[in-house]
Amino acid sequence: GESVGLHLPTLSVQEGDNSIINCAYSNSASDYFIWYKQESGKGPQFIIDIRSNMDKRQGQRVTVLLNKTVKHLSLQIAATQPGDSAVYFCAERYAGNMLTFGGGTRLMVKP
Amino acid sequence: DGGITQSPKYLFRKEGQNVTLSCEQNLNHDAMYWYRQDPGQGLRLIYYSQIVNDFQKGDIAEGYSVSREKKESFPLTVTSAQKNPTAFYLCASTPDRGHEKLFFGSGTQLSVL
Repeated sequence: GESVGLHLPTLSVQEGDNSIINCAYSNSASDYFIWYKQESGKGPQFIIDIRSNMDKRQGQRVTVLLNKTVKHLSLQIAATQPGDSAVYFCAERYAGNMLTFGGGTRLMVKP
Repeated sequence: DGGITQSPKYLFRKEGQNVTLSCEQNLNHDAMYWYRQDPGQGLRLIYYSQIVNDFQKGDIAEGYSVSREKKESFPLTVTSAQKNPTAFYLCASTPDRGHEKLFFGSGTQLSVL
């Protein structure tokens, strides 16, 4: 678990700023998308999900945006805190099949 | 507390040895999954089960075996046929069979001695 996150793209933000983590998905017919947060040595933790019939969904301090035209998904975290430091990854589901997971982005929050 | 429990957290395998990773859930979920995680890569599906006494191969099933004798348990055996077993193994479950909103355990790190 401690080795998870090597060679990942990294986003570094200042505490209190907003973070935007991006994800390009592969299949234009994917109907469901989900974001997870994973801290070192731990299992992924659900953040938020969205179906393809929506463009935006909001949770507590997080917003997911879906742009089907360019097959792009983004996760916005408001007022980023040190506890938000982790690896974030998205997953897509195509035609009711299994989720396909991306490699992830490491978010580092500077105090 | 409801959740998914994986054990052990760390496991070491000797050459030619089979090892079994435990996964138990008390969420009353129908579907359970095993994923493998390697550094810098997305999760890859090993096996999944949507109902007791039934399971399906995922993308990288070779060298692994599973059983689903009880709804709450889905153990994974890493056999000696798996030549590169070092990885972080994650078990997950979901309430229905739509493969949405998977809940994950805390993982098992398997290393080769």
